[in-house]
Amino acid sequence: KAGVTQTPRYLIKTRGQQVTLSCSPISGHRSVSWYQQTPGQGLQFLFEYFSETQRNKGNFPGRFSGRQFSNSRSEMNVSTLELGDSALYLCASSSGQGRETQYFGPGTRLLVL
Amino acid sequence: GESVGLHLPTLSVQEGDNSIINCAYSNSASDYFIWYKQESGKGPQFIIDIRSNMDKRQGQRVTVLLNKTVKHLSLQIAATQPGDSAVYFCAENTQPGRGANNLFFGTGTRLTVIP
Repeated sequence: KAGVTQTPRYLIKTRGQQVTLSCSPISGHRSVSWYQQTPGQGLQFLFEYFSETQRNKGNFPGRFSGRQFSNSRSEMNVSTLELGDSALYLCASSSGQGRETQYFGPGTRLLVL
Repeated sequence: GESVGLHLPTLSVQEGDNSIINCAYSNSASDYFIWYKQESGKGPQFIIDIRSNMDKRQGQRVTVLLNKTVKHLSLQIAATQPGDSAVYFCAENTQPGRGANNLFFGTGTRLTVIP
């Protein structure tokens, strides 16, 4: 079974731009969660989507948004990029039944200049 | 908010020795814990998990111990190998019963295996 895939793997943007990242979960998984990883803040939860609905949300500003499609693939969008948004963005998938293992993708490395 | 913290940011062990990585959590309501391993340039990789109704769980060369009394979690790696060198994270699900996935991660411990 293929693992979680994320595209693109690397991205360079400038301040003020917007970016869209994509995540394809493991086949059969309906839950996709997004995390931001930085050296200073570690791994922080952004939001979770299940059956095309945002089910859970972390403490990030409204510039961070996401969506999920009927095939469970998910995208996250960051608008008006700031330097501090430079990070590794990870998505994780699970079946969505709660209190279960999440499997992570390789991440998208975003650099904001 | 709730937090998950690690006692040691770095750990160096000789190849073949056993490694113990510790983690403290603060939310007594958390009922599910996971250990992840992250190698450079990769996403976190699942190692082992444990539910709060258990004290111990064993996998291949790894054992997780859960002490709910002091809210402490540990990961033991037997016969540590160079391939075990990575950053190890503990994570807790702080929303039991909600059916949602929202993991809080510790800051991570870097394990270095000396050949």
